[in-house]
Amino acid sequence: SQTIHQWPATLVQPVGSPLSLECTVEGTSNPNLYWYRQAAGRGLQLLFYSVGIGQISSEVPQNLSASRPQDRQFILSSKKLLLSDSGFYLCAWSELDLRGASGTSTDTQYFGPGTRLTVL
Amino acid sequence: GQSLEQPSEVTAVEGAIVQINCTYQTSGFYGLSWYQQHDGGAPTFLSYNGLDGLEETGRFSSFLSRSDSYGYLLLQELQMKDSASYFCAVRRYSSASKIIFGSGTRLSIRP
Repeated sequence: SQTIHQWPATLVQPVGSPLSLECTVEGTSNPNLYWYRQAAGRGLQLLFYSVGIGQISSEVPQNLSASRPQDRQFILSSKKLLLSDSGFYLCAWSELDLRGASGTSTDTQYFGPGTRLTVL
Repeated sequence: GQSLEQPSEVTAVEGAIVQINCTYQTSGFYGLSWYQQHDGGAPTFLSYNGLDGLEETGRFSSFLSRSDSYGYLLLQELQMKDSASYFCAVRRYSSASKIIFGSGTRLSIRP
């Protein structure tokens, strides 16, 4: 079965410090990978997604960056954190299985446990 | 445009039935998914409608009508543990690698 790991679970960082969050997926190959951020009580903001090694698409211009050095590894980084970077960071992989008009298709995102980042 | 609209909050009584609506202004998508997120936790997949109509999974059902640009999640026999946020989501044909999420509905269950 597939599993997705994120670490650390919680992080408190000072403004201006660097950031590195890691996400790894097991049990699947060549997954689409995603980084989301969620502010308290809010929805999911897509930050980056990747369809393969070294392929990164950015959704929101900001001081964050992402890298995919291996097929099942996705890293979120920043050189200098801002107060506004605080939030709940979620990594996810997706499975799209289309079987046409039979109605048995599925489109599922599997989320990691998340990293709660507080920037002070 | 691309947006999914959901009510921000819904309150219901334990044992009752509640419907959470999702209306959208996007076209050309594979299907409508629903996710549940408890406070402090990660979203988890609930259901998917690839075709119009009703999909049932235990106490939860989901419905999609592409002609009406509308879908909903129906929760029956509500339990206190159903208190959570619920998100609808779509994947558009034009950008199949991305998934667009609605703003989420906070469901509160009263005894």
